[in-house]
Amino acid sequence: EADIYQTPRYLVIGTGKKITLECSQTMGHDKMYWYQQDPGMELHLIHYSYGVNSTEKGDLSSESTVSRIRTEHFPLTLESARPSHTSQYLCASSKQQGDPYEQYFGPGTRLTVT
Amino acid sequence: KNQVEQSPQSLIILEGKNCTLQCNYTVSPFSNLRWYKQDTGRGPVSLTIMTFSENTKSNGRYTATLDADTKQSSLHITASQLSDSASYICVVSDRGSTLGRLYFGRGTQLTVWP
Repeated sequence: EADIYQTPRYLVIGTGKKITLECSQTMGHDKMYWYQQDPGMELHLIHYSYGVNSTEKGDLSSESTVSRIRTEHFPLTLESARPSHTSQYLCASSKQQGDPYEQYFGPGTRLTVT
Repeated sequence: KNQVEQSPQSLIILEGKNCTLQCNYTVSPFSNLRWYKQDTGRGPVSLTIMTFSENTKSNGRYTATLDADTKQSSLHITASQLSDSASYICVVSDRGSTLGRLYFGRGTQLTVWP
């Protein structure tokens, strides 16, 4: 079982609210990622980070933002939630070196915006 | 366009039976191919990772094969158990970027009945 945690696991919130999804890992990994996954669909990379103070946008455009102030912590924020943000959000981490590098996933946060 | 296609989309088998899941990809250049197991409401967990030079890899009752020439992979599950019920995701990594970008399939939803 990977040591990567996400909170909350489930969140139902009204339109316009600001939300932060938490992700933390205790493996000392430099690389961290956020994916978005809709039911029956593939995972889409929305943000990633190579290390502290490094953040990049992924392949799927997202209105969310991320920060990486500490190695172990990679929170995702939505300033104003909308129903279109309803989805499952998965956080992952991996070592900086090594090919192929293993990605370890958290349990996910299922977000519903009403 | 880099893509990963999986078949079948869903599969129902009886406990104790074997099954084979298929993955075709067009990702180029190719670095490695992974199979993940994703339980409902959980994050994906890695089963196997294969590089270009490997054509088979086992993990307990799971055996993955890779044909890099035809760009096909399969995941064979032997003596299925109820706990094998999950989505099985094929993921291909390219060598085209520092990040080693991952391309995800939509998964095969396997249900094992008693």
